Amino acid sequence: QKEVEQDPGPLSVPEGAIVSLNCTYSNSAFQYFMWYRQYSRKGPELLMYTYSSGNKEDGRFTAQVDKSSKYISLFIRDSQPSDSATYLCALFKAAGNKLTFGGGTRVLVKP
Amino acid sequence: DVKVTQSSRYLVKRTGEKVFLECVQDMDHENMFWYRQDPGLGLRLIYFSYDVKMKEKGDIPEGYSVSREKKERFSLILESASTNQTSMYLCASSLKDGYTFGSGTRLTVV
Repeated sequence: QKEVEQDPGPLSVPEGAIVSLNCTYSNSAFQYFMWYRQYSRKGPELLMYTYSSGNKEDGRFTAQVDKSSKYISLFIRDSQPSDSATYLCALFKAAGNKLTFGGGTRVLVKP
Repeated sequence: DVKVTQSSRYLVKRTGEKVFLECVQDMDHENMFWYRQDPGLGLRLIYFSYDVKMKEKGDIPEGYSVSREKKERFSLILESASTNQTSMYLCASSLKDGYTFGSGTRLTVV
């Protein structure tokens, strides 16, 4: 079983819809939770970062962490065609000093 | 902004060749990483380094080696390239937990 599970998609939504992405994980040692966005033929870029259970908002993006359920989510409101990308969750545990990535979900926002 | 620069965007090499992939970061980060990314397999860690001349194996080190002679530079070496090493290679650096990635090198081994 992988430490981090993420549905690969693709997830296709019309422009303006809410995009809902999620990851589940098995190891409670993960302490920090991130979302990366990766455009085609580019490296991933850090989008959101959180370390506690609850919600964190940044513009149209909301990251949600539920440590008791080992479940993290990313919501994109008012989605735009420019949001079309692959979104990767990434989890960090202090021991080991490296990130563990989900497989990524490909999102397509249609105009 | 932290910049992580990978020397080549696209490379085509022949089977058996020795291949060097170079990565340079400009923010004095101690940690540097090499990943490969393949469809359906996601990002897989090859090697990482916490400091100059230090290296640690990741999840898939076989067929690869690394060199970190200077803090800003982390090189990935394919000793004898094989077709199953055709992939997108991504370098990253970090101070602690948030990684900054380069744009990637798409390597094709023929």
